[in-house]
Amino acid sequence: GQNIDQPTEMTATEGAIVQINCTYQTSGFNGLFWYQQHAGEAPTFLSYNVLDGLEEKGRFSSFLSRSKGYSYLLLKELQMKDSASYLCAVTRGGYKLSFGAGTTVTVRA
Amino acid sequence: DAGVTQSPTHLIKTRGQQVTLRCSPKSGHDTVSWYQQALGQGPQFIFQYYEEEERQRGNFPDRFSGHQFPNYSSELNVNALLLGDSALYLCASSSDGTGTSEQYFGPGTRLTVT
Repeated sequence: GQNIDQPTEMTATEGAIVQINCTYQTSGFNGLFWYQQHAGEAPTFLSYNVLDGLEEKGRFSSFLSRSKGYSYLLLKELQMKDSASYLCAVTRGGYKLSFGAGTTVTVRA
Repeated sequence: DAGVTQSPTHLIKTRGQQVTLRCSPKSGHDTVSWYQQALGQGPQFIFQYYEEEERQRGNFPDRFSGHQFPNYSSELNVNALLLGDSALYLCASSSDGTGTSEQYFGPGTRLTVT
């Protein structure tokens, strides 16, 4: 199957850290993307993980464990503009991205 | 450098009608994918076009068809519209021949079927 699971909603305070988990079925797994999508806008690329480990890019980091079928996106020093939906997407050797339903992050002052 | 563009921005159609959505990929990209995103859900893959041919298709009925032109732009056609086809339709382009590289998304077309 293609089940990609991530929490529906998360709320955090400005300046805090939030970790968004994503689990997926490992069969045929190729790579994992994280996208950010503000309401009414297109998804924008955040990160792409193929190998195990942590990829850091400014305030955002993404981790992958291929054997466990697990990834997380870490958002540090949260800002109000980080309020958005965060989408986990998997590729499995074909050409399509299979997306989870997205996690809506709300940052409060 | 223009990113991915889509037209129209919004569209309202009646059940049973047909619709055509258009997409121009990011400069230098040759691969176009189409996704349907229902409210509160992640995008669902419809199909991908490369070298003017449909290379992979998701779980969508034949009412959904597409085309890619020599300049790499693409169209998505939906026939016999149903209420359930109301969604945001996203076009994404990429440049890697395998099609698994980063995909750049356009702003989408919001289709409402009444």
